[in-house]
This record gives sequence, structure tokens and C-alpha cells, in this order.
Amino acid sequence: DIVMTQTPLSSPVTLGQPASISCRSTQSLVHNDGNTYLSWLHQRPGQPPRLLIYKISNRFSGVPDRFSGSGAGTYFTLTISRVEAEDIGVYYCMQGTQFPYTVGQGTKLEIK
Amino acid sequence: EVQLVESGGGLVQPGGSLRLSCATSGFIFSSYDMNWFRQAPGKGLEWVSYIATRSSPISYADSVKGRFIVTRDNAKNLLFLQMNSLRDEDTAVYYCVRDSEITDFDYWGHGALVTVSS
Repeated sequence: DIVMTQTPLSSPVTLGQPASISCRSTQSLVHNDGNTYLSWLHQRPGQPPRLLIYKISNRFSGVPDRFSGSGAGTYFTLTISRVEAEDIGVYYCMQGTQFPYTVGQGTKLEIK
Repeated sequence: EVQLVESGGGLVQPGGSLRLSCATSGFIFSSYDMNWFRQAPGKGLEWVSYIATRSSPISYADSVKGRFIVTRDNAKNLLFLQMNSLRDEDTAVYYCVRDSEITDFDYWGHGALVTVSS
């Protein structure tokens, strides 16, 4: 199975400042079809997860442009250019390249 | 508007069975693969099962293989998860998730809580 490892697991941030989360996979996430199925999800307390980024760097509909994704192969990053209060919660990276699909442990974003 | 609404959760004793449903609307259900994910209380997300548009292929996490069965009814826009031989560790909120060729895991339901306890 592909293991997804996120760092850090907790990130205290200051409003208006940038934040980044890293995600590493134990195998390349490049699929035979040429796509890399790496997604980023955000979950606020008491709510279901919602998709932020798909295929490494594509923002989903309605996601603010302060969110960006980058990376390739086995190393990926989610960056928030200027953190806002509504960004608190847990962020997950997940891979949909190979069964079983697997998810990182989650990174809790907290406001300092 | 895409909507995914899970139902069928509840309290069940270890060894018991439960059937979750996911009612979908706002999109052509038969054109999308679907997944079930779950989240144990205070824990992270875990993928449970995948079903393709025409019910093949199907895939399961090792933790549920042989106990859970995923099915779909494209005529009624419904996704199901039959859960048998339930264990304490199956206690979780179960999410129905749309799987798009373009935008991947793009829509998530609000979840159904399953509690396995004696």
C-alpha cells in the first residue's frame, strides 16, 4: 500500500501570514494514464471534508486562489498564501492513483 | 446542485449488520464512479470501497474485505454499503464520495454515523 506522510501534523499560524503543508508518498503517484491523482482536502470541525485541490495543482470550483498545490512524483505541497480565520481545521492529502486509496494523517491548522 | 445524502446509520451490536444508502441528485449518477470513506471518532479519513459506473470493477480496503459489499442502483441514483459482521473498530462516520474523471473526489456527503457497541 502507498503510505502518505504529512508534515507538520500541527501548524500554528498568524492570520495574514503564509502556511504550507507537505505530503510525501512511498511510491510515485503517476498513474499509467499519465495523471497524478493527488488531492488536498479541508475539514472544518463538525463538517465533512471538502475538496480543495485535485491532480496536484488544480483548484476545485469555489476554492479561493490563496490556496495552491505543487509537487510531482512523491513529494507535494499545499500552500496558503495568506491565512484567513475560515482556514482553520484539518488538511488531508490523499492519493487516488492505486488501490487501496490512502490518506495522510492530517495536519491541524490553528491560529496563533 | 450536486447532493449526496447518506442514511441508514445507527447503533448495532458487534456481529450485526447494517445497510447504508446514499441518495444522489444534481448530476448523472450513472456516469460517475463512487466511493465510501469513513472517519472514526477523533481520527483521520480512511477509504473503504470503490464502485465503477457499471458496478465493475469494485475494490475494498483490506479492513472490510469479505464483510462489506458495495452496490449501486443507477436507475434510482442510489449507492449502498451493506456492512456485515460489524466490529467495534467499524464505528465511524461513513461518507459517500463522488469520483469524477476530471475533478477526482469532488463531492462528499454529510456522513452517516455507525456505532458498533454492545
